[in-house]
Amino acid sequence: AQSVTQLDSQVPVFEEAPVELRCNYSSSVSVYLFWYVQYPNQGLQLLLKYLSGSTLVESINGFEAEFNKSQTSFHLRKPSVHISDTAEYFCAVSEGQSGGSNYKLTFGKGTLLTVNP
Amino acid sequence: DAGITQSPRHKVTETGTPVTLRCHQTENHRYMYWYRQDPGHGLRLIHYSYGVKDTDKGEVSDGYSVSRSKTEDFLLTLESATSSQTSVYFCASLPSGGASEQFFGPGTRLTVL
Repeated sequence: AQSVTQLDSQVPVFEEAPVELRCNYSSSVSVYLFWYVQYPNQGLQLLLKYLSGSTLVESINGFEAEFNKSQTSFHLRKPSVHISDTAEYFCAVSEGQSGGSNYKLTFGKGTLLTVNP
Repeated sequence: DAGITQSPRHKVTETGTPVTLRCHQTENHRYMYWYRQDPGHGLRLIHYSYGVKDTDKGEVSDGYSVSRSKTEDFLLTLESATSSQTSVYFCASLPSGGASEQFFGPGTRLTVL
């Protein structure tokens, strides 16, 4: 069975500081990895995804994540955060083309990123 | 964005009453999923569907049932609502092949008094 651990439940940072949100997963097969973001009182939006290919993936608003198979990690980073990045971030994993899983997502418990002025 | 809607968006009900939440997608996606979101738990899978009339249980399926009679609709039913089912419910869909992200609906906030 797959599982996801987000190591920090809350991360407070100052504006323009760098941030890293950590995510580790456990799975016995190849995986697809995702970061979703949820702004206050809103639904989930995809931030970025790893399906295959380059292990470094980027979003349009400056976030990046690197798939590290040996460490089973998919940490999210941004070199300089803005007030508007304040949100809850969820890491999620699904089993890939191994079949049988029906691509069910397992989510971490979330990390609340608060960017202070 | 994928066209996925949920109804109702908000509902308050009483313990013991039946409740049905509807998820509707216009993308002809094969897979559909119901999750619940609770503070400190992230999102947890309730039930999912891998085709019309094909459904299976997720992690937290007790007290819930689902039905999918058409590709575009996936219904979640609480046969007899309990206060522990107070939550925000999200529906998601995924195209055939699976090599994609799931597309989420806007959510339904359910309060069981």
